[in-house]
Amino acid sequence: ILNVEQSPQSLHVQEGDSTNFTCSFPSSNFYALHWYRWETAKSPEALFVMTLNGDEKKKGRISATLNTKEGYSYLYIKGSQPEDSATYLCAFIAGNTPLVFGKGTRLSVIA
Amino acid sequence: DGGITQSPKYLFRKEGQNVTLSCEQNLNHDAMYWYRQDPGQGLRLIYYSQIVNDFQKGDIAEGYSVSREKKESFPLTVTSAQKNPTAFYLCASTLGVNQPQHFGDGTRLSIL
Repeated sequence: ILNVEQSPQSLHVQEGDSTNFTCSFPSSNFYALHWYRWETAKSPEALFVMTLNGDEKKKGRISATLNTKEGYSYLYIKGSQPEDSATYLCAFIAGNTPLVFGKGTRLSVIA
Repeated sequence: DGGITQSPKYLFRKEGQNVTLSCEQNLNHDAMYWYRQDPGQGLRLIYYSQIVNDFQKGDIAEGYSVSREKKESFPLTVTSAQKNPTAFYLCASTLGVNQPQHFGDGTRLSIL
């Protein structure tokens, strides 16, 4: 079973702070890396699908980078707002296998 | 609006009983997935189907069964062989591996 590690497990930041968290995955046989945001009482929502080494993607105040050679991706949130409070999941695909999810990083933004 | 519908939202199972969780999508997606979430765990894959009339076991398939008779539907049966069925179950679908997965709102299953 492939292992996807996310750190930190949880994070509390003040409104306006910028923050980032990490997703680590096996560097061999990389196919794609997904990021999702999961708010309480809602279903997970896709943020990014990344496939190329060096990819950088941005959606509003949220951005992500990808390093497939060393097996990590960073998710950045600039100027955190209370509505950013959620669990952020990353998921990895190798070869022809289905998505393997990490346990997520739970972000709480304090107003 | 297109989307994925899971029902019911809450489900209670008696000991020794089989229960079926519904998942329907109108997104015209070929691939569908069932995940289980337990406290402190990530989403773990139970079963997936990449095309009608075909499905594969995920990491934790024991005690579960599925069918894929129609493109739109991928029901999951939790059998009496699943000894610890209490969990939150999510269904998802996608157009392909380089496309994001779309999720339903989930079903929370509890044992009476």
